[in-house]
Amino acid sequence: NAGVMQNPRHLVRRRGQEARLRCSPMKGHSHVYWYRQLPEEGLKFMVYLQKENIIDESGMPKERFSAEFPKEGPSILRIQQVVRGDSAAYFCASSPVNGGKQETQYFGPGTRLLVL
Amino acid sequence: GDSVTQMEGPVTLSEEAFLTINCTYTATGYPSLFWYVQYPGEGLQLLLKATKADDKGSNKGFEATYRKETTSFHLEKGSVQVSDSAVYFCASAGGTSYGKLTFGQGTILTVHP
Repeated sequence: NAGVMQNPRHLVRRRGQEARLRCSPMKGHSHVYWYRQLPEEGLKFMVYLQKENIIDESGMPKERFSAEFPKEGPSILRIQQVVRGDSAAYFCASSPVNGGKQETQYFGPGTRLLVL
Repeated sequence: GDSVTQMEGPVTLSEEAFLTINCTYTATGYPSLFWYVQYPGEGLQLLLKATKADDKGSNKGFEATYRKETTSFHLEKGSVQVSDSAVYFCASAGGTSYGKLTFGQGTILTVHP
């Protein structure tokens, strides 16, 4: 059973470009979470999605950031017009069907975004 | 809001030394508590968890006990190995009906031979 897949593992963008980060959850998992890890900081929650629904986006910056989890295909975190402050590691996690507080979240290897 | 505070690091130990990494939390209701480990260049792996007061989570020689009275979930290991060198994150999930994780800032552990 493959784990959570994220690609690309490393992404370099120039200021003003768009970044698209992809996450395929573990098989059978329908809950996806995105977290951001800024340099030398802990992980911060960004958004929680189920298939075709955004459940909680309280951690998402108000502008330039969006996320989706379509019926088919991976979850996408999209950052438009990137700035240097967006440089970070972005981690995706998935959990099984009921997604409650007792459920373990399984993390992907992360995408390390560098904005030049 | 919910928060998790870990002891400041980095922590440097010799092999076979005793390890304690302190973690305290504030949360609405009764959260679940987790320790995750992150090796260089990798994602987070669940180390152990506890879902209610007085539960003890354990794995690979690591232990942590959910202490409601002190709102703590300290990580311990009796004899560390070089391979335990990593970043350790304490996290809580609760206060809502789903499991959004709130993380501590992480503690870097380095174990020397």
